[in-house]
Amino acid sequence: DAGVTQSPTHLIKTRGQQVTLRCSPKSGHDTVSWYQQALGQGPQFIFQYYEEEERQRGNFPDRFSGHQFPNYSSELNVNALLLGDSALYLCASSLALTGATDTQYFGPGTRLTVL
Amino acid sequence: AQSVTQPDIHITVSEGASLELRCNYSYGATPYLFWYVQSPGQGLQLLLKYFSGDTLVQGIKGFEAEFKRSQSSFNLRKPSVHWSDAAEYFCAVVSGNTGKLIFGQGTTLQVKP
Repeated sequence: DAGVTQSPTHLIKTRGQQVTLRCSPKSGHDTVSWYQQALGQGPQFIFQYYEEEERQRGNFPDRFSGHQFPNYSSELNVNALLLGDSALYLCASSLALTGATDTQYFGPGTRLTVL
Repeated sequence: AQSVTQPDIHITVSEGASLELRCNYSYGATPYLFWYVQSPGQGLQLLLKYFSGDTLVQGIKGFEAEFKRSQSSFNLRKPSVHWSDAAEYFCAVVSGNTGKLIFGQGTTLQVKP
């Protein structure tokens, strides 16, 4: 049973560029959440996707956008990259049916470096 | 607003010694609480969770946590630490009905031989 997978593992971009990160949820899960983890900090919630729509969003600017596909996989897009966007981006999957009590399972993350 | 505080940024214990990592939460209703562990360069692995019922929760790798509503705490414990337990530990609380997690800043555990 495959867990949550993310690609790529590492990414280096320059300021102003755009980036796309990808996530495949754990088998049987239908909800994907994205988190940003800056160095030395706890993960911060970016947004959550369910039924191909953004269901909830954290305090992140519109430069951060996402998408969920019919197979439940998801993409995170960041436009006009800033140095401060350098972080580990974590994807987590869960099952919407169980709501707040469901456990989120995390992928290994994508390390984004903005130069 | 909901929040999680982990008062200890860094803790060092000797191998074989007991461990307690502190977590305090701020949440109006019954909290759903989690502890995750993160090894260097890795994602988060769930150690244990509390939703309701018995306030002492058992997890993987010999960890346990106790929910104390009166103290708004959910401290993580292990009776005997192994060198492989060295990692970053995060406490988290669910916010709202969609499972959004709010994390503490994390505690780095170092294990001395």
